[in-house]
Amino acid sequence: QVQLQESGPGLVKPSETLSLTCTVSGGSISSSFWSWIRQPPGKGLEWIGYIYYSGTTTYNPSLKSRVTISLDTSKNQFSLKLSSVTAADTAVYYCASTSYNRGWFDPWGQGTLVTVSS
Amino acid sequence: QSVLTQPPSASGTPGQRVTISCSGSSSNIGSNFVFWYQHLPGTAPKLLIYGNNQRPSGVPDRFSGSKSGTSASLAISGLRSEDEADYYCAAWDDSLSGYVFGTGTKVTVL
Repeated sequence: QVQLQESGPGLVKPSETLSLTCTVSGGSISSSFWSWIRQPPGKGLEWIGYIYYSGTTTYNPSLKSRVTISLDTSKNQFSLKLSSVTAADTAVYYCASTSYNRGWFDPWGQGTLVTVSS
Repeated sequence: QSVLTQPPSASGTPGQRVTISCSGSSSNIGSNFVFWYQHLPGTAPKLLIYGNNQRPSGVPDRFSGSKSGTSASLAISGLRSEDEADYYCAAWDDSLSGYVFGTGTKVTVL
């Protein structure tokens, strides 16, 4: 059974780059799509983007200029970088397996809270 | 940015049926599959419904999904205390070229 676990700094300074990694266990990252999704405190879910195992990426247009998602097949991990962060980027960040292009997210990681503050 | 509209809350007593609506447009629900997720704060969101009305293995048949035009619904029958959670609908949006989520509905079991 595939499991995902997010990791990375819980505190990032404004204007810096947020970096998170999702480690996949119980399955190979060399298949399917892999997504990042976030939830600001007290708000709803927002899709950030996904990467196909071939390396092709699709990003949320509202974040596209600041987002990079990449794969490390040797470590069975994929990563998120979000540049020039502000307090509005404070959120719980989730990684998730995505069934296919435009498909469902399952399973999800437990999520990790990232706070943007000086 | 939530493009799909859900009621903020819904409630019922144990055993009752609760229905949650999800309203979208022709570019999302009207032309793509709808998914439903259950989220208990502090835990990983869980897939409840995919392909508008399909349940993954392990999801009780008390949960059912439907879609008509640009709207979708999630029904929970035989409501149980463990169903207290936040529920989100989601779909791909062709105009935005990305996924959109619903505003979320908090279900309370009275």
